[in-house]
Amino acid sequence: DVKVTQSSRYLVKRTGEKVFLECVQDMDHENMFWYRQDPGLGLRLIYFSYDVKMKEKGDIPEGYSVSREKKERFSLILESASTNQTSMYLCASSVRTGSYEQYFGPGTRLTVT
Amino acid sequence: DAKTTQPNSMESNEEEPVHLPCNHSTISGTDYIHWYRQLPSQGPEYVIHGLTSNVNNRMASLAIAEDRKSSTLILHRATLRDAAVYYCILYSSYNTDKLIFGTGTRLQVFP
Repeated sequence: DVKVTQSSRYLVKRTGEKVFLECVQDMDHENMFWYRQDPGLGLRLIYFSYDVKMKEKGDIPEGYSVSREKKERFSLILESASTNQTSMYLCASSVRTGSYEQYFGPGTRLTVT
Repeated sequence: DAKTTQPNSMESNEEEPVHLPCNHSTISGTDYIHWYRQLPSQGPEYVIHGLTSNVNNRMASLAIAEDRKSSTLILHRATLRDAAVYYCILYSSYNTDKLIFGTGTRLQVFP
């Protein structure tokens, strides 16, 4: 089975802190994605990556950055956390071509106070 | 980006069939129709996808209208474990592999 794991299920941070959310997949997938999920808004794409050291902005990249130094790991960084970044963060991965399934991790619920 | 429209919520009794509708009137010829579901406190999981023909797998069936402007996800016998939010998504490999999630349909299943 494909496994996508996220470093924390729950995280509480203070406004202005730098926050790292880590995601690891064990199926050698090329594509990795970060989404955030908010009530009434569904899932929205923040950033995605096609390969190591490659990244593309999604629909809501403001206030976030990402890092992909190794194929299996994709990190989401909040440079200076703000209260409007309180949300559920979901990581996903998929094979580059020929497969349409994205495999999601369990999510990290981040609260910024 | 092509959009989908789904009812906010639906209800079913256990062991009854469930038909979850989705409208996608602006679908293009290269768009696949994907369904994902999200169980409580979990990330979304893939259910099924199709392009033009009806599709079946171990989880569900997908019925696609001839004009492709609508589709229906069919759960043949609902179980309590099927209670989830179901998302109908249009996916195109020309759109950089990203899935665009709407707000989905919340399915309640009663014993």
